[in-house]
Amino acid sequence: AQSVSQHNHHVILSEAASLELGCNYSYGGTVNLFWYVQYPGQHLQLLLKYFSGDPLVKGIKGFEAEFIKSKFSFNLRKPSVQWSDTAEYFCAVTTLGAGGTSYGKLTFGQGTILTVHP
Amino acid sequence: GAGVSQSPSNKVTEKGKDVELRCDPISGHTALYWYRQSLGQGLEFLIYFQGNSAPDKSGLPSDRFSAERTGGSVSTLTIQRTQQEDSAVYLCASSLVGTGYNEQFFGPGTRLTVL
Repeated sequence: AQSVSQHNHHVILSEAASLELGCNYSYGGTVNLFWYVQYPGQHLQLLLKYFSGDPLVKGIKGFEAEFIKSKFSFNLRKPSVQWSDTAEYFCAVTTLGAGGTSYGKLTFGQGTILTVHP
Repeated sequence: GAGVSQSPSNKVTEKGKDVELRCDPISGHTALYWYRQSLGQGLEFLIYFQGNSAPDKSGLPSDRFSAERTGGSVSTLTIQRTQQEDSAVYLCASSLVGTGYNEQFFGPGTRLTVL
């Protein structure tokens, strides 16, 4: 079965610092990759996704992620964080079966809490 | 338009009681998912519906858990004889279709506390 690992449980940064959150997955086949974010008191929402093509994907609010297939990684980055980026971030994958279809169920990492100090 | 809604937002129950959690997906979304978010276990998949059928129930933790979906819309997750380890936030998500290429939209969750 597939699994997703996020390296850091809690990251604390000052505003304007750069951010990189690690994500590795374990699955030998084709995957679709996602980063979701949960701001305090809000729903989980999609930050960005990767299906195929350019391994560097850009999402909302200045976030980007790079898929490195050889490392089974999909790290999230932002060059300069803001206080409003304080949230919990989840990396997730869906797997594609042998027939090229997927029910789309998400397998999540443990989540990384990001705290940004003004 | 309206997003995914869930009710109740909070539920406190006694061990051994049955509970029902409700999910209203986004109109027109044929795929519906239930997840559970708990301390120590993170976010776990429970069950997937395509229309009214559930081709993937692999995440249900025991036979005390069941779910149904009617009219291709509202879904109910039922937990019988609740146990303290069932305490968690139960999240519902919907997407246009369940292919893995469609964004899942999440509801606010139901926080279940079993005393």
